[in-house]
Amino acid sequence: KNEVEQSPQNLTAQEGEFITINCSYSVGISALHWLQQHPGGGIVSLFMLSSGKKKHGRLIATINIQEKHSSLHITASHPRDSAVYICAVRWASGNQFYFGTGTSLTVIP
Amino acid sequence: KAGVTQTPRYLIKTRGQQVTLSCSPISGHRSVSWYQQTPGQGLQFLFEYFSETQRNKGNFPGRFSGRQFSNSRSEMNVSTLELGDSALYLCASSIGTGGEETQYFGPGTRLLVL
Repeated sequence: KNEVEQSPQNLTAQEGEFITINCSYSVGISALHWLQQHPGGGIVSLFMLSSGKKKHGRLIATINIQEKHSSLHITASHPRDSAVYICAVRWASGNQFYFGTGTSLTVIP
Repeated sequence: KAGVTQTPRYLIKTRGQQVTLSCSPISGHRSVSWYQQTPGQGLQFLFEYFSETQRNKGNFPGRFSGRQFSNSRSEMNVSTLELGDSALYLCASSIGTGGEETQYFGPGTRLLVL
């Protein structure tokens, strides 16, 4: 059983659509990270959350600590948003990172 | 500021050999973490170093080891390579080790074991 569950696994959207990617985890965390990985491997950290909500441009990330759930939203999606989005959590005890399996997003022009 | 650099970028080895990968963190960052990414297992945490000390270790066999130098550069070593060690190895640096530190990832070293 994976401690970090992401959904959906694959997502295809039309340009301009609003996109939501979900992440659920099973134990207490100190922080949750959303990562973006483009073809070729490079990973960029988009957000680090321990509570509430953060916004950067067209990206919004929220976290509900009580429900152990986070969402990544992309408004007005664009083909350049096509990438794999990975949720990563840092356990409150042990400090290790655990990763979701990723959501592969394709935005069609 | 230069980003995280990893060398080499690509590597081909044969079973039974050993390999050493290098990671240079962003200047001023004292924490370096290593990750393995495979199509089957996804991203997995290998270990984390801070100020030359291993702070955390993932669930990997003892064939995987690492170290960090006084200038924060880090190396990881894999001995007695197996076919299943073929993967993208990523390192990431951050200023400290707190759970709320943003990690900055390097481009990765792609290792192929034949």
